[in-house]
Amino acid sequence: DTAVSQTPKYLVTQMGNDKSIKCEQNLGHDTMYWYKQDSKKFLKIMFSYNNKELIINETVPNRFSPKSPDKAHLNLHINSLELGDSAVYFCASSQMDTLQTQYFGPGTRLLVL
Amino acid sequence: AQSVTQPDIHITVSEGASLELRCNYSYGATPYLFWYVQSPGQGLQLLLKYFSGDTLVQGIKGFEAEFKRSQSSFNLRKPSVHWSDAAEYFCAVGGFTGGGNKLTFGTGTQLKVEL
Repeated sequence: DTAVSQTPKYLVTQMGNDKSIKCEQNLGHDTMYWYKQDSKKFLKIMFSYNNKELIINETVPNRFSPKSPDKAHLNLHINSLELGDSAVYFCASSQMDTLQTQYFGPGTRLLVL
Repeated sequence: AQSVTQPDIHITVSEGASLELRCNYSYGATPYLFWYVQSPGQGLQLLLKYFSGDTLVQGIKGFEAEFKRSQSSFNLRKPSVHWSDAAEYFCAVGGFTGGGNKLTFGTGTQLKVEL
């Protein structure tokens, strides 16, 4: 039983395209996150949602638009993809009233050509 | 602002040898500290965490870490490394930002294990 799952696992696309990455968690958590890991393995938070409400937005270009249809899902839509968007995107979840332990999905490897 | 420094980019140890990965943090209050491991092509797995109490915390796979407030450190240790421990290790500090949890990661330490 996968706790945090992401689809697709790999995504190869052309510059200028629009793509979406989906994330689902079955841990019953109320908070979900998107992180970006660049080519040097550096991990940085992008967004956080609590109970479908955006609570963290780390100055990410507005081409990136997260959407949370319910507490168990957090999707990431990216418009007009650029070469610099190539990275691994990780989804994570946690329960707000516990002490911040975040559980990560397997990652989506995005390559923009 | 919170930050994490992992001074060692790469570490190579022989199988069976002991291991210590360094982590220094900067945080204005009592930190929440974590170690995650990432195997090649995989996601991040939580090894252990420190919130309060005993400064020596035990984790999975035989790892432990010691919180030293005076040194702002949270070093990860293992007494005897196995070949399967080869991976990327990330230290992270947690803090609330506008009501939200925010993990700040170090740049990672890549561990290679020689057989």
